[in-house]
Amino acid sequence: EVQLVESGGGLVKPGGSLSLSCVASGFNFGDFSMNWVRQAPGKGLEWVSSVSFTSTYIYYADSVKGRFTVSRDNAKNSMYLQLNSLRVEDTAIYYCARDLIAGPGGDALSLWGPGTMVTVSS
Amino acid sequence: EVVMTQSPDTLSVSPGESATLSCRASQGVDKNLAWYQQRPGQAPRLLIYGASNRATGIPARFSGSGSGTEFTLTVNSLQSEDVAVYYCQQYNDWPLMDSFGQGTKLEIK
Repeated sequence: EVQLVESGGGLVKPGGSLSLSCVASGFNFGDFSMNWVRQAPGKGLEWVSSVSFTSTYIYYADSVKGRFTVSRDNAKNSMYLQLNSLRVEDTAIYYCARDLIAGPGGDALSLWGPGTMVTVSS
Repeated sequence: EVVMTQSPDTLSVSPGESATLSCRASQGVDKNLAWYQQRPGQAPRLLIYGASNRATGIPARFSGSGSGTEFTLTVNSLQSEDVAVYYCQQYNDWPLMDSFGQGTKLEIK
C-alpha cells in the first residue's frame, strides 16, 4: 500500500526540541521530493519545508528557518524534521506530503500522511 | 512571493446543488494550481492539479478551471460527504512559501 506515516509528536516546553519522522512505503521514495506542512488548531495549512529527492535542494518557511532542520535517508525510505527552540506558535499537526511527480520538486502534493501532533506548552 | 486568496470563507449549499469556490493569485501562476479537500479530522487530499486535472480516484463531480490569477473549483451534485474545507495552493514558485489559500468551508444547508 502506498502510504506515509509520521511519528515523534508530543508535548514539549517552550525552548525545547523534538524530532519527527515520516516513513514511506509502496513507492520508490528516492524518486520523489518531500515536504512538511503543518496546521495549527483550527487554522489553515502552512508549508514548512521541502527537500528534493537527492537532498540537493532544501527550503524552509521564514517562520521556522534557523530552528528546524529537514533531512532524508532514501535507504530507509524516511524523512525527518528536527524541531529546535520550539515556540508556543509551533503547536500544530505536522503532515509529511509527497510531490505528485518524481523529480526535483515544486509540485502538487499528492500523498499525505495522517499527521503527528506537536504541542508546545509550559 | 505569491499570495493566494480564496472566496468565500464559508459556503452553504443544498444537497444536489452545485458549489463554486474561487481562488485568486496575487501574480500569475500559469496553471500550477492545486485544490485539496480536508474533511473534519482528516488529512488533506489532492483533488485537482494543473488547475483542471482530477487526481486519481476523484469523482467527476469535481472540476477545476482557470489559469494565471483566477481559478475556480466546482462541485456538482453536492453530497453530505463533500462537507469539508477546500484549499487552493500554487506551486509555480518553489519554495512553496505561503503557497496555500486560507480555505473555504463548504457546508450543507
